[in-house]
Amino acid sequence: DAKTTQPTSMDCAEGRAANLPCNHSTISGNEYVYWYRQIHSQGPQYIIHGLKNNETNEMASLIITEDRKSSTLILPHATLRDTAVYYCIVTGAGGTSYGKLTFGQGTILTVHP
Amino acid sequence: GAVVSQHPSRVICKSGTSVKIECRSLDFQATTMFWYRQFPKQSLMLMATSNEGSKATYEQGVEKDKFLINHASLTLSTLTVTSAHPEDSSFYICSARGLTEAFFGQGTRLTVV
Repeated sequence: DAKTTQPTSMDCAEGRAANLPCNHSTISGNEYVYWYRQIHSQGPQYIIHGLKNNETNEMASLIITEDRKSSTLILPHATLRDTAVYYCIVTGAGGTSYGKLTFGQGTILTVHP
Repeated sequence: GAVVSQHPSRVICKSGTSVKIECRSLDFQATTMFWYRQFPKQSLMLMATSNEGSKATYEQGVEKDKFLINHASLTLSTLTVTSAHPEDSSFYICSARGLTEAFFGQGTRLTVV
């Protein structure tokens, strides 16, 4: 799986959009970008994933650059409950290794009042 | 999203005893599950891949005789930490592979005294 690089920490004001960047310059053509988050002392929670098109669901939006070397997770209206560690993971969506995730250090997002 | 339930959420055991952790996929069949371990202030580290009806595949450095994995049905995988020692104290997390993403349990905090 391709390696990802994320900022160590970010702050965001409650109600504002949180934009979390991720670099994955070695991503290969069949690899997807996944985002998970982990709230303290809980298991990771799936947020969103994409291949090359931008994606949106009820939790967030995922913007992937045209060359696919980077992406941004957008939480449109951050709340205090969005404070968590956010992991950007690149992995294949099929094959025997699918679901076997390699977690980096992630970005600690702190949402403050 | 799909639900993965892990039990127990917390366990304290004496050094030298064995502890079993259960991971259940409640609303889908999971032929493949994964076990991770997370030490304080660190990221998740994959321990092993659990395949229904076959032997687990362990990551390098993980002792298969110490961390016994059984995946006897499509909805249940168990991790048994045998002869636990204080250095085995950690947060153990399972995940199950769904159609397009992995779903995580809530984790088990193991403390060996």
